[in-house]
Formats: sequence, structure tokens, C-alpha cells
Amino acid sequence: GQNIDQPTEMTATEGAIVQINCTYQTSGFNGLFWYQQHAGEAPTFLSYNVLDGLEEKGRFSSFLSRSKGYSYLLLKELQMKDSASYLCARSGAGSYQLTFGKGTKLSVIP
Amino acid sequence: GAVVSQHPSWVICKSGTSVKIECRSLDFQATTMFWYRQFPKQSLMLMATSNEGSKATYEQGVEKDKFLINHASLTLSTLTVTSAHPEDSSFYICSARDHWGSGTDTQYFGPGTRLTVL
Repeated sequence: GQNIDQPTEMTATEGAIVQINCTYQTSGFNGLFWYQQHAGEAPTFLSYNVLDGLEEKGRFSSFLSRSKGYSYLLLKELQMKDSASYLCARSGAGSYQLTFGKGTKLSVIP
Repeated sequence: GAVVSQHPSWVICKSGTSVKIECRSLDFQATTMFWYRQFPKQSLMLMATSNEGSKATYEQGVEKDKFLINHASLTLSTLTVTSAHPEDSSFYICSARDHWGSGTDTQYFGPGTRLTVL
């Protein structure tokens, strides 16, 4: 299977840093995506990692370790608008299909 | 950036009727589109992969005769929910793969269609 595990819920304070972890099965793995989804809306693309290491994009960074089947999304300088679900998804080798985790609901509090 | 539209954004229908949902890539060509379904507080579940000019590939457990998919052009895929029942009520989201994209094989999502079957 392609079980993708991520925490169900997290709470963090405005201005703080939060790390959302994601683990997945490594067999047939190609790349790892992170999406943000606000309630009642479609997901929006945040990041894509195919090589090991950290990719930084403004306040958001994403890390990947292929050998460990592990990724995290790092959000800095949290804002209230960052309250949303964050979906970890993997693509398989030779396939464009994405398999999504159940998402992590992040609540940013004042 | 790549934009994907869906129409309608929401629909309410009576049990037993059919509903067609359109997914369009507005500023790029998409040889491959995907249809997902999302129930409340659940993640996106892939229903089928839609390939331009060929039959769709359905995921296990998805009835192809109930969820009809047509991908007649490089910018349009349609999903028809036939003989809809209340249990089909869900958030249906399409995504399109940017065929000539930057190489990341990024999927761009439409805004979703909320279907309510009475």
C-alpha cells in the first residue's frame, strides 16, 4: 500500500513556527506534494519534493528524506489565515496519480 | 499560473436524476485530468483518471457505469453522476496535469463542486 500518515490536528500560536510531519511507504515512490485546503475549498499547491533536502519558499518550507519515507512542512511566522488543512500527497513512479493523506487541520490562535 | 475551473460550483438535485460536472483547464492543455471525491472531514479520494481521447481509468470500488467520464478535448473533462442517490452527496474536485509544465508534474485543482442529492 501507500499508507500516508500525518497528525489529525495541530494548534499553534500566531507568529510561531509549526512543523507538520508526514510519513509514507517508500516502495514505488516518486515525489511528495503538500497542499493547503481551506474549509469548503479545493486544495492549493504549496510544494513538491523529489530530492532529499529542504526546499524553502517564503514562509513555507518542505523537507524530504526518501530513505526514511518522511517529509515535513514548516510554516514560519504563522498568521491567522494559515488556519487550514494541510494535505500530504505522494506520487508513484511512472504514474501521475496522487495519493493523499487524511490531512492535518491546523488551527492558529492569537 | 495554471487555472482550472469547475461548473457548477454547487448543485442540488432529486434522487434518481443525473448531474454533469465540467472541469476545464483555462490556460494550459491537460492530457490527463483526475476526479476526486471528498466527504466531510475526510481526505481526497481518487475516483478516476481521465485521459484525453481514451477511456477513463477507474479506481477500485468506483462504478464506471454510475460515474461517467468523458475527456473529449485537451481542456475539458466531464463527470456525470447517473441516477444520483443521497449517498452520492459529496464534494467533487477535479485536477488537471499541466502537460507542458515546469517538470514537477504539478496537478492544479479546480474549485470543486458540492453535490447534494435529496
